[in-house]
Amino acid sequence: DGGITQSPKYLFRKEGQNVTLSCEQNLNHDAMYWYRQDPGQGLRLIYYSQIVNDFQKGDIAEGYSVSREKKESFPLTVTSAQKNPTAFYLCASSIPKPLSYKNEQFFGPGTRLTVL
Amino acid sequence: GQQLNQSPQSMFIQEGEDVSMNCTSSSIFNTWLWYKQDPGEGPVLLIALYKAGELTSNGRLTAQFGITRKDSFLNISASIPSDVGIYFCAGQLGTGTASKLTFGTGTRLQVTL
Repeated sequence: DGGITQSPKYLFRKEGQNVTLSCEQNLNHDAMYWYRQDPGQGLRLIYYSQIVNDFQKGDIAEGYSVSREKKESFPLTVTSAQKNPTAFYLCASSIPKPLSYKNEQFFGPGTRLTVL
Repeated sequence: GQQLNQSPQSMFIQEGEDVSMNCTSSSIFNTWLWYKQDPGEGPVLLIALYKAGELTSNGRLTAQFGITRKDSFLNISASIPSDVGIYFCAGQLGTGTASKLTFGTGTRLQVTL
């Protein structure tokens, strides 16, 4: 049963602590993405990765870090430098079609992070 | 980063009514995607559009890629209670394996019996 999993669903941390959010996919997708969603707003891109061992900053990368050591995994670390980390975090992946213009992104169920 | 203008922001409709929402941009896009998000869940892809003027249906949903490539429309016919949620449009300019999406601000749909 293929899909994207994010764990945990809810996460609580104290201010000043780093926290790592998990994202795993078994869809054999090359590209993976992290988005942040705040109440009443759309999705904003944090980081994305086209291939293993490579990743690029999105629109709001400050205070976040990522790694892509395996094709299936793209963990996101929210560091203490992120000024307002409480949000809903969504991971996505897309079908590898280098010869096609199609690039449909599919999302995981999300992790709601609350920093106390 | 840019966000697309989506309207209306929210709407209340009665079950059985048709719904229309749209998304506009100051930039052109090569692809338009429409997603639906239920509370506390990730967005689910509804329809993907790849050519200017393209009209695509998925059950009771119909979406169109604007001829100027700067807008897109989503229509839902004969709405039912499970249509409740937030609908997002997303535009994509580039091609390849990891082209970034720009998302709209969302249209919140509530359906009354």
